[in-house]
Amino acid sequence: EAGVAQSPRYKIIEKRQSVAFWCNPISGHATLYWYQQILGQGPKLLIQFQNNGVVDDSQLPKDRFSAERLKGVDSTLKIQPAKLEDSAVYLCASSLRPREGRNEQFFGPGTRLTVL
Amino acid sequence: SQQGEEDPQALSIQEGENATMNCSYKTSINNLQWYRQNSGRGLVHLILIRSNEREKHSGRLRVTLDTSKKSSSLLITASRAADTASYFCATARGGANNLFFGTGTRLTVIP
Repeated sequence: EAGVAQSPRYKIIEKRQSVAFWCNPISGHATLYWYQQILGQGPKLLIQFQNNGVVDDSQLPKDRFSAERLKGVDSTLKIQPAKLEDSAVYLCASSLRPREGRNEQFFGPGTRLTVL
Repeated sequence: SQQGEEDPQALSIQEGENATMNCSYKTSINNLQWYRQNSGRGLVHLILIRSNEREKHSGRLRVTLDTSKKSSSLLITASRAADTASYFCATARGGANNLFFGTGTRLTVIP
């Protein structure tokens, strides 16, 4: 079974530039998550999708972050414009049926973003 | 904000010894999960324990949960150098069963 795919693995940009990350979840996983992990901390949930609908985006800084999952499979996370404090690893994860207790999450390798 | 706190923040042991990590949390939960993260990699799910369970085993892993104290522990027996990683507890709560991660314990197993 293929795992969660993410690209790019690394990205370096200057502040005020834009950046986009891509995620392809495990086949059949309806639920997709984006997390931000700052160095030395645990992952923080940014947004959760169920199919192509948003379930929870309460911790997404909506003035600069946006995410979409148009066809209920792949997803993109965008930052526009980036700030220095956005430097972090952005992790994508998917799970099978979280509302039924099957909420083990499978993570991709992450995208390490450095904002200069 | 982080949901849980792990302690210790860092732990260094000799190969073959047991490693114990603790996690405390603040609110009621549906379940609690432990994940491992190798340097520069994504997280890997290790074990899930439901709120009505007190202990669970998986291979060399043993997890306990005390909902009255809002705490959990992860025991890794007979540690190996390959166990070197960061370990995170994550609590699931609410109808969406979202996960809230702790700050992690950095485990180093010395060969």
